[in-house]
Order: sequence, then C-alpha cells, then structure tokens
Amino acid sequence: DGGITQSPKYLFRKEGQNVTLSCEQNLNHDAMYWYRQDPGQGLRLIYYSQIVNDFQKGDIAEGYSVSREKKESFPLTVTSAQKNPTAFYLCASSRAAGVDTGELFFGEGSRLTVL
Amino acid sequence: AQTVTQSQPEMSVQEAETVTLSCTYDTSESDYYLFWYKQPPSRQMILVIRQEAYKQQNATENRFSVNFQKAAKSFSLKISDSQLGDAAMYFCAYRSAWDQLIWGAGTKLIIKP
Repeated sequence: DGGITQSPKYLFRKEGQNVTLSCEQNLNHDAMYWYRQDPGQGLRLIYYSQIVNDFQKGDIAEGYSVSREKKESFPLTVTSAQKNPTAFYLCASSRAAGVDTGELFFGEGSRLTVL
Repeated sequence: AQTVTQSQPEMSVQEAETVTLSCTYDTSESDYYLFWYKQPPSRQMILVIRQEAYKQQNATENRFSVNFQKAAKSFSLKISDSQLGDAAMYFCAYRSAWDQLIWGAGTKLIIKP
C-alpha cells in the first residue's frame, strides 16, 4: 500500500542533542512538508520541498534543518538551537506544489519529548 | 496576512444527529481553496472535503457537506448522521493559488453514543 512512513513514533531527547526524524513516501509525490503541531494551535509549516535537492523555509524553520537527496525521503533534524522542541511532528506529501488539488497525504506523526 | 479561525475548540453531538463546525477566514485573494481535514485519535490526518472558491456550488462528500459563503468568508462543515468513527479533531485550512496551507486551530468533535 502506498503511503507515508514516519519514524520513530516516539522519541526522547536530552537537552543539547540533535535528533533526526525520518519521513519516507512511496506515493511518487514531488512535494514534501514538515509540520509542527502543538495543542490548541493549527499546524505550522517548518520546511517544504518541491523537488529533489531543493527546499524552502516555512514559518518556523529556526532550529530545524532538512535534506531532500531522494524523492522518497525528507528527514527533519531538530537541532539543539530549537528552544522548545517538545511537540508532535507531521510529515506530509502532495503530488506537486503550487496549483494542484491541494490535498496533502500525512504520516502518523512523531512525538518528540525533550527531557 | 491570511488567517483561519475556528471558534469552537470542542463540540459534541449525539450519535445519528447532525453537527456543524464553523470556520472563518480572512483573505484579499479571489482565487483560493478551502479544506476540512480530520485527525482521528490514531493521528493520521486525512482530507474530508475540499472547496474551490470559484465554484458556487457547495461541496458534498457522502455525509459531509460544506456551507461556503464567500462574501462572509465562512466555510462551515456539516456532518449528518454522526457516527462514532467521526470523533476526531477537525481542521479547516485555506490555500491561495500559489501559497502554502494556512491552518485553523482545530475543533475537537465528540460523539455521544
């Protein structure tokens, strides 16, 4: 079955450590996204990528980094520079960025907790 | 800047009854898209329904329908014959033609058996 796989589902980190969240899709989608979800707030865009080897900052990119070396993969690194990293992180993909149906397909998310 | 407001943090409805979730948005664009997404307790977000702003007809998907009032910038979701499986967070989202999605804060829907 096609879909998006995020791992790990739960992750604990000590302050000062970098962690990388994995996101893989087999939908052959061009665009991929990382969102942060906090209670009582809508999803906030961290980074997005429309094609391989290219990505753009979203609204809250500070303290995060990404790479897009393969179409299927879009890992997110939460660096020690992120002041409040405890959150739920969602990865998504879409057929193409820009003018399309706009439908995003989501993974099941990764919950990061900083101890 | 565009904004999306969901004024109901939580709603509850009796099973088999109808419930309406509210969403308003602010934009100066004329061409845009509106969405309702559902996030059940399992956490995987899925698209419920989509509306193109240029279409006057309200979108419908089985038990889910929208009331799109472009002049009022209102985009409510109506769920008919509510089922236990409808329990979830519902997010309203807006996207202009060439930009990224902007999300509301969500409404938690509780279904009472």
